[in-house]
Amino acid sequence: NAGVTQTPKFQVLKTGQSMTLQCAQDMNHEYMSWYRQDPGMGLRLIHYSVGAGITDQGEVPNGYNVSRSTTEDFPLRLLSAAPSQTSVYFCASSYRRGSANVNEQFFGPGTRLTVL
Amino acid sequence: EDKVVQSPLSLVVHEGDTVTLNCSYEVTNFRSLLWYKQEKKAPTFLFMLTSSGIEKKSGRLSSILDKKELFSILNITATQTGDSAVYLCAVEAGNAGNNRKLIWGLGTSLAVNP
Repeated sequence: NAGVTQTPKFQVLKTGQSMTLQCAQDMNHEYMSWYRQDPGMGLRLIHYSVGAGITDQGEVPNGYNVSRSTTEDFPLRLLSAAPSQTSVYFCASSYRRGSANVNEQFFGPGTRLTVL
Repeated sequence: EDKVVQSPLSLVVHEGDTVTLNCSYEVTNFRSLLWYKQEKKAPTFLFMLTSSGIEKKSGRLSSILDKKELFSILNITATQTGDSAVYLCAVEAGNAGNNRKLIWGLGTSLAVNP
């Protein structure tokens, strides 16, 4: 199993550009999520999905869109990049055990994004 | 507002020392507490705790939860340089169904010197 994969590993954008961060998992996990991690702010949830076709907003969703057309893939789209979106982005997935959604998340390697 | 507070924020020890990392929380509808280790890359899972007083162990690492006093500790005995990392605590909270969420602490940065 490859686990959770993310592409690209690094990206530099200019203000106003758009892009998609890719995330895929091969563990048949129902729950997937996107976080950003900034110094002094910890991990903050952007969007999450409890299954194909279902997405919801997390703590800091503004400026980002997601979709979940398959169980495996959960791309994150930046609509019009801003310097405030400079961060490290992590995708994570987990089993859905009973009614629990978020136990023992497996993280991807991260994407380091810089917006100039 | 739900919050998770970790202490200390950073710690420097020598190889062989024992360290205790703290995680306290205030959340609505506690479900579980999780510890992760992050070494310059993605966080990796260490423990999940749901019941008070039951110690989880993995090698030199152990953790316990106190749901009455709302905290957990992570102990590392006989520390090694490979233990140097940021240790993250997260609490799962919320009602049943899709309203669960993870609240993350800011982490404790541990440096183990040879």
